Amino acid sequence: DTAVSQTPKYLVTQMGNDKSIKCEQNLGHDTMYWYKQDSKKFLKIMFSYNNKELIINETVPNRFSPKSPDKAHLNLHINSLELGDSAVYFCASSPSQGAPYNSPLHFGNGTRLTVT
Amino acid sequence: DAKTTQPPSMDCAEGRAANLPCNHSTISGNEYVYWYRQIHSQGPQYIIHGLKNNETNEMASLIITEDRKSSTLILPHATLRDTAVYYCRRGSSYGKLTFGQGTILTVHP
Repeated sequence: DTAVSQTPKYLVTQMGNDKSIKCEQNLGHDTMYWYKQDSKKFLKIMFSYNNKELIINETVPNRFSPKSPDKAHLNLHINSLELGDSAVYFCASSPSQGAPYNSPLHFGNGTRLTVT
Repeated sequence: DAKTTQPPSMDCAEGRAANLPCNHSTISGNEYVYWYRQIHSQGPQYIIHGLKNNETNEMASLIITEDRKSSTLILPHATLRDTAVYYCRRGSSYGKLTFGQGTILTVHP
């Protein structure tokens, strides 16, 4: 009965490859997010989708392309992987987004991406 | 720029209260304060949030100063399993949802 699930948990790949990370939530939430956590532990928002529409895109290289086939899924595809892409990527969801923003985020357990 | 400031680390003895401060001096009137924690190798876990009034749930209490420029998360009886990184974050609509570096809380036996 996992609320937000990501696959795979670990991903090791070589520079230049293309890879995808999948995320699914069974909470019935409208909004989903991708975060990147670097080695200094900062959690930075990358993208957010609300009902399959992109609403936040935070200066992320266009090698990163999110896709939301429905509001329960938000996948992240990364082209031409670089060493600096190594990080832990977290998916999250929340019931709504608006003013004031008062919906707690529910996170998955992360995908540790290592680019060699 | 998460616009919140937290001490990088704190220690607490098991069974004692852990009081974790957060400064958010530029918070606007409709922004909530959220607290999360991240236990090693897991995703962040929501703890509590509040706007003006103090809040309490089964996990913790949140004390927000009257001017709303700072808040304190209180774990009333810390256990070893509460050792984690605690993040304080401001909520804003469609806004910057970045988390700062947080406070590493270590609970000692």
